[in-house]
Amino acid sequence: LAKTTQPISMDSYEGQEVNITCSHNNIATNDYITWYQQFPSQGPRFIIQGYKTKVTNEVASLFIPADRKSSTLSLPRVSLSDTAVYYCLVGEYSSASKIIFGSGTRLSIRP
Amino acid sequence: DTGVSQNPRHKITKRGQNVTFRCDPISEHNRLYWYRQTLGQGPEFLTYFQNEAQLEKSRLLSDRFSAERPKGSFSTLEIQRTEQGDSAMYLCASSFTGINTEAFFGQGTRLTVV
Repeated sequence: LAKTTQPISMDSYEGQEVNITCSHNNIATNDYITWYQQFPSQGPRFIIQGYKTKVTNEVASLFIPADRKSSTLSLPRVSLSDTAVYYCLVGEYSSASKIIFGSGTRLSIRP
Repeated sequence: DTGVSQNPRHKITKRGQNVTFRCDPISEHNRLYWYRQTLGQGPEFLTYFQNEAQLEKSRLLSDRFSAERPKGSFSTLEIQRTEQGDSAMYLCASSFTGINTEAFFGQGTRLTVV
């Protein structure tokens, strides 16, 4: 499974757009990029997944450059409730069969 | 179906006692995972099942830990002779089998060993 590197923490303010970048230099051809969100005392929750270019859903956007060695999770107009830990995961889960989490990025949103 | 359910939500036990946690996955899901999470760290993979078969166990899972998933439905995680280092949040997740399917997590069982 490819190793990922992401910032330990980030701060932002309500209403701002937040971009969290994840580095995954050893990503394999079949690997997908997945982001999870975790609030205190809760299990992680799937946010978004992509393979290349751009993916958007009602929660976030995921930008993946052509070389796929990094990805950026974009949260539009954050609110206080977006304060959480965000995990970037890379893998091809049909064969890897387990989800490996790193330490994640602790995002703090201020009023 | 209200998602992945874990019981109990909290457990306080004395060192040396045995504890058992239960996970009820989303009913259609054939894959079930157990994770352990300590404060400030990401979840650590412990083991996973495909239906009733336990397909992988982490080296973190010492002989004191055992997990079962009889009949491919609910799962139990037992810790024997608990130690203070076992204090953590124990998370269960379930998913379909398939390419890059989303895993759904329960709210976890917080174990405190005193």
